[in-house]
Amino acid sequence: SQQGEEDPQALSIQEGENATMNCSYKTSINNLQWYRQNSGRGLVHLILIRSNEREKHSGRLRVTLDTSKKSSSLLITASRAADTASYFCAHPSAGGNKLVFGAGTILRVKS
Amino acid sequence: GAGVSQSPRYKVAKRGQDVALRCDPISGHVSLFWYQQALGQGPEFLTYFQNEAQLDKSGLPSDRFFAERPEGSVSTLKIQRTQQEDSAVYLCASSPRVDTQETQYFGPGTRLLVL
Repeated sequence: SQQGEEDPQALSIQEGENATMNCSYKTSINNLQWYRQNSGRGLVHLILIRSNEREKHSGRLRVTLDTSKKSSSLLITASRAADTASYFCAHPSAGGNKLVFGAGTILRVKS
Repeated sequence: GAGVSQSPRYKVAKRGQDVALRCDPISGHVSLFWYQQALGQGPEFLTYFQNEAQLDKSGLPSDRFFAERPEGSVSTLKIQRTQQEDSAVYLCASSPRVDTQETQYFGPGTRLLVL
């Protein structure tokens, strides 16, 4: 079973607005990763933030990590219709060898 | 360069049938992973290979599931005597390093429907 939770489960916004998704996890982690999945397709890696980092930017993406609260957030600024997808946070398991994924947030950007 | 590819993209099987799902990782990638994704859920780990060695199969749900990577490149996930609860998307991922904590590169998945 999955060890993380994401909220909201679904988010619907207008093009141009910002979208924020949150992720919580239960164990100590080395890094936290965010992936995007378009309908019916595989996952695409977006960004990785390490446990000694608090914030990281990549284009229109901003990720924060709070290891004391075991939580992370993904902010997408100036959203576009093409950002419509499911977004998953994931972290390496305690023993390595796998990524542990949350249940995901479904983002819909309306044009 | 080419990404991870999987075949078939879609598979419909009758309950009790055996299926074989193929994964072609990115050339030269050492690590290969299989995940199962149920509808509306995040992927769940099945098994991990480092080259040809299957180092972790803790996520395989039953002994009906079997995976191999005999030459350290292409991998096959086999499901014997399929059941309806096996219906899911099966994702393959690879990464260039032995360190399994880093970014993984995913294929498009095989959507399996067991009737």
